[in-house]
Amino acid sequence: AQKVTQAQTEISVVEKEDVTLDCVYETRDTTYYLFWYKQPPSGELVFLIRRNSFDEQNEISGRYSWNFQKSTSSFNFTITASQVVDSAVYFCALSEGYSGYSTLTFGKGTMLLVSP
Amino acid sequence: DGGITQSPKYLFRKEGQNVTLSCEQNLNHDAMYWYRQDPGQGLRLIYYSQIVNDFQKGDIAEGYSVSREKKESFPLTVTSAQKNPTAFYLCASSPEQASNQPQHFGDGTRLSIL
Repeated sequence: AQKVTQAQTEISVVEKEDVTLDCVYETRDTTYYLFWYKQPPSGELVFLIRRNSFDEQNEISGRYSWNFQKSTSSFNFTITASQVVDSAVYFCALSEGYSGYSTLTFGKGTMLLVSP
Repeated sequence: DGGITQSPKYLFRKEGQNVTLSCEQNLNHDAMYWYRQDPGQGLRLIYYSQIVNDFQKGDIAEGYSVSREKKESFPLTVTSAQKNPTAFYLCASSPEQASNQPQHFGDGTRLSIL
């Protein structure tokens, strides 16, 4: 069975600090996909990134970067120079690819509070 | 603009009452999903549908029902059998129900008991 663990329930930082959100996953499949979503106070989940299990390259998009390490089953998300607008709940999710059809399993989320 | 519309934004249910949450998408996506979110919890899958006139139970389907008569619509009914319906409900869609497809979400409906 697939499982996603986000051990950090809530993180508080001051603007311009760097912050890393941890995500650890469990799966028996060799083919799978990992996702990060952002949920601002408005409630809608916003897709941030998708990574497949065969691509371990780290990715950077502006102030966001992602570190995927299969050896430790982790897919961590770093925000550099955080801003107040980054305040949100962030979810990590896993989708297994063994059957072609799959559903997303979400972690419980990490609430990030960025204060001015 | 293409997207997912959920309505109403807030909904109140009386004891013994069934209520229906609306979800409409104009993204031409085949797959649609309903999730429930409780405070401090991740999203849990209620029902999903790969194509019109077909749907499958998710992890917490008891007390809920759905229909998929049109591609763009996937309404969720919270029945009186659901004893703890207070939660935030999110609808999502994806081009197909494949593992590599990111899901697109609506703004959610917050359901409370009167």
